[in-house]
Amino acid sequence: GAGVSQSPSNKVTEKGKDVELRCDPISGHTALYWYRQSLGQGLEFLIYFQGNSAPDKSGLPSDRFSAERTGGSVSTLTIQRTQQEDSAVYLCASSLVLLARDTQYFGPGTRLTVL
Amino acid sequence: DAKTTQPPSMDCAEGRAANLPCNHSTISGNEYVYWYRQIHSQGPQYIIHGLKNNETNEMASLIITEDRKSSTLILPHATLRDTAVYYCIVGYGQNFVFGPGTRLSVLP
Repeated sequence: GAGVSQSPSNKVTEKGKDVELRCDPISGHTALYWYRQSLGQGLEFLIYFQGNSAPDKSGLPSDRFSAERTGGSVSTLTIQRTQQEDSAVYLCASSLVLLARDTQYFGPGTRLTVL
Repeated sequence: DAKTTQPPSMDCAEGRAANLPCNHSTISGNEYVYWYRQIHSQGPQYIIHGLKNNETNEMASLIITEDRKSSTLILPHATLRDTAVYYCIVGYGQNFVFGPGTRLSVLP
């Protein structure tokens, strides 16, 4: 596709359930990033991938959060045992090479609501 | 925590220049100044970045003070479609923190 796509666009889940969020980066982009944006707040950086590798997972909010990337393309962000404070818009971005911010394009986000 | 300070909101008349200020008094020598904007319900969009020289592209101009402690993003002829939240970010490498930004409203 022409841009970064994310699915689902909206997800409503019950507290305690697991959710999986998907990101399809721009073809050929080697770097992929996940951010979280709570209502009315700025973006919180979560994790980045260079290829399939995520060298620094310290930005993930808790051990309930995990992310993987396969084939240097699609990435999934998994939240286990969701809590109400996990409600936010989860944004994915990709860039041609790692940390090339001028080629960093964001997807539309997944709005997660935990009831 | 974000290393920048921006006014929470600004208004600008359509067709006029919008000048968005940003303070980054603790910027270090290898950190760039980046500007993004986020139009309602969309992901952020890269606008421009610079290290110490002023920069211009098709979207905007970036003016960085000589001491690099502040900068101004200039949209030369604001349109209604420029209404968005504008983020000023100071960072290098992985260190890249979005603050709450400035909500710019372009008024007809």
